[in-house]
Amino acid sequence: DTAVSQTPKYLVTQMGNDKSIKCEQNLGHDTMYWYKQDSKKFLKIMFSYNNKELIINETVPNRFSPKSPDKAHLNLHINSLELGDSAVYFCASSSTIADEQYFGPGTRLTVT
Amino acid sequence: DQQVKQNSPSLSVQEGRISILNCDYTNSMFDYFLWYKKYPAEGPTFLISISSIKDKNEDGRFTVFLNKSAKHLSLHIVPSQPGDSAVYFCAASAMVQGAQKLVFGQGTRLTINP
Repeated sequence: DTAVSQTPKYLVTQMGNDKSIKCEQNLGHDTMYWYKQDSKKFLKIMFSYNNKELIINETVPNRFSPKSPDKAHLNLHINSLELGDSAVYFCASSSTIADEQYFGPGTRLTVT
Repeated sequence: DQQVKQNSPSLSVQEGRISILNCDYTNSMFDYFLWYKKYPAEGPTFLISISSIKDKNEDGRFTVFLNKSAKHLSLHIVPSQPGDSAVYFCAASAMVQGAQKLVFGQGTRLTINP
């Protein structure tokens, strides 16, 4: 019974394409996040949503657009993919804005 | 500018002995610290945390120590078991724009040898 799930698990695409990664949590949490783990293995926050509202937006290119259709879902759409977007993207959720975060299994994006 | 640093990329420990993983931070605004454990092809899983008002928190085989004056925390695992082999991430938390923002270190790969 997966708590935080992401689809797809692997995504290989060409430069210039547009792609989406989906995230769903069945924990009843109010807050969801997107993280990027780059080639140096650093996990960095990209976005945070609380009750479907954007509350953290780090310095991320406008090509990245998160969308939260409801509290259980936070999708990430990426336009005009670039080589530097290759990374593992993790979705996470927490009960409130201050609680520990539960992570999904990650989506490995490879841009060729 | 990396605000949370784990200077040891890897650590090898014999089964049954103590594993000590270290983490340093630079930002005095951090008020909550967490350790996450990550297996290959999985997301990080929460392990243990400590508030900045404490200097020690213990949960079974896992103990986290916080030295605020040195801006240093450590995770002790004793006794170490083969299943503890994983990458361990230290994270520091601050409330930003009304939300918890976690800043992660780059991880330490722990290998427990039988």
